Amino acid sequence: DQQVKQNSPSLSVQEGRISILNCDYTNSMFDYFLWYKKYPAEGPTFLISISSIKDKNEDGRFTVFLNKSAKHLSLHIVPSQPGDSAVYFCAASPRGGAGSYQLTFGKGTKLSVIP
Amino acid sequence: DVKVTQSSRYLVKRTGEKVFLECVQDMDHENMFWYRQDPGLGLRLIYFSYDVKMKEKGDIPEGYSVSREKKERFSLILESASTNQTSMYLCASAAGIVQPQHFGDGTRLSIL
Repeated sequence: DQQVKQNSPSLSVQEGRISILNCDYTNSMFDYFLWYKKYPAEGPTFLISISSIKDKNEDGRFTVFLNKSAKHLSLHIVPSQPGDSAVYFCAASPRGGAGSYQLTFGKGTKLSVIP
Repeated sequence: DVKVTQSSRYLVKRTGEKVFLECVQDMDHENMFWYRQDPGLGLRLIYFSYDVKMKEKGDIPEGYSVSREKKERFSLILESASTNQTSMYLCASAAGIVQPQHFGDGTRLSIL
């Protein structure tokens, strides 16, 4: 039972355009969400997070949107750059209890930014 | 910057061997984690620790154990390595709950 789903295994975008990566979750207890970027042969790097009290969080070219009613979040990268080409993982955790230590990850979306 | 260091980038072992993967973090983080990453499966949590000598099972603990004798160090132990444990292993640490986890660069372990 996959609680965090990234339904697009891959995405190709032209340099300078917007990249939109999507993530859906099923566990209504999740209320903290993160995006990570991973290059080959490196560990995941934390990009941006959002808690359920907000519906948007921005950090430079990266914006995460959260739609709690739809149990959906998205990561927007504007403008996309070739260096953004990587695998992007969505992750989620509940806020309270022992489970709040634990992140549940999606399977990842491979983003390719074409020069 | 948080630094999470995994002792080996690549490791080759034989079935039945006892294998130790070591991880050290330099930010005095309370929480440390071990994941494995397999193609098409994403990152799956094996074990985590929220304090010295404390551990909790993750989603796939079978065949693994862990040790946390010092705050900065978290070891993953494969008691008797099997070929289905060939994988990329990632260690992470976090300052607390509801905090981003910071990852090491991973150990690619091959069991022959």
